[in-house]
Amino acid sequence: DGGITQSPKYLFRKEGQNVTLSCEQNLNHDAMYWYRQDPGQGLRLIYYSQIVNDFQKGDIAEGYSVSREKKESFPLTVTSAQKNPTAFYLCASAYTSSGNTIYFGEGSWLTVV
Amino acid sequence: GDSVTQMEGPVTLSEEACLTINCTYTATGYPSLFWYVQYPGEGLQLLLKATKADDKGSNKGFEATYRKETTSFHLEKGSVQVSDSAVYFCALSKLSGGSNYKLTFGKGTLLTVNP
Repeated sequence: DGGITQSPKYLFRKEGQNVTLSCEQNLNHDAMYWYRQDPGQGLRLIYYSQIVNDFQKGDIAEGYSVSREKKESFPLTVTSAQKNPTAFYLCASAYTSSGNTIYFGEGSWLTVV
Repeated sequence: GDSVTQMEGPVTLSEEACLTINCTYTATGYPSLFWYVQYPGEGLQLLLKATKADDKGSNKGFEATYRKETTSFHLEKGSVQVSDSAVYFCALSKLSGGSNYKLTFGKGTLLTVNP
């Protein structure tokens, strides 16, 4: 099946630890994105990438890092520098063209304990 | 910068009532406009989209028309069902430097439909 796979679905992290969220797509999309969603709020862009080996900061990149070594993969690392990391994280992908639909994965819940 | 403003929720309706969720945007150029729906604990699913002025997007009884003169993209449905209960997000997509496209979202509107 084609789609975007995020893992794990639920993750618990101790304060001071880094954690990496996986995002894989088999849609042959060029662009990939990471968004953060807090309860009752909208989505905020963390990082995005239009091509392999290139990515740009979004609106709330501090405390996060990404890599884009393969077209189909865009992992997000939540570092210990992120002050309030508990949130729902959504990965998305799209063809790089105006009007093209951006598709979302099922999301990953991160809780800091 | 670009922004999307949508109707504050929550919205509570009875089954078979009419729905309108207002969405307006601020952007230069010619953005594409989208409505996404999010069911509890899940990711976002595309509901409908419009890529140019006067286009009407429609899906599952929902529709929205891209109005450039009023910079609006209001979501409407004539008769809602309990299964329509979800959070609805309005969004725009536009070039953001070079060949980069970004989605900008509204804050979402929670819809609850009671039987």
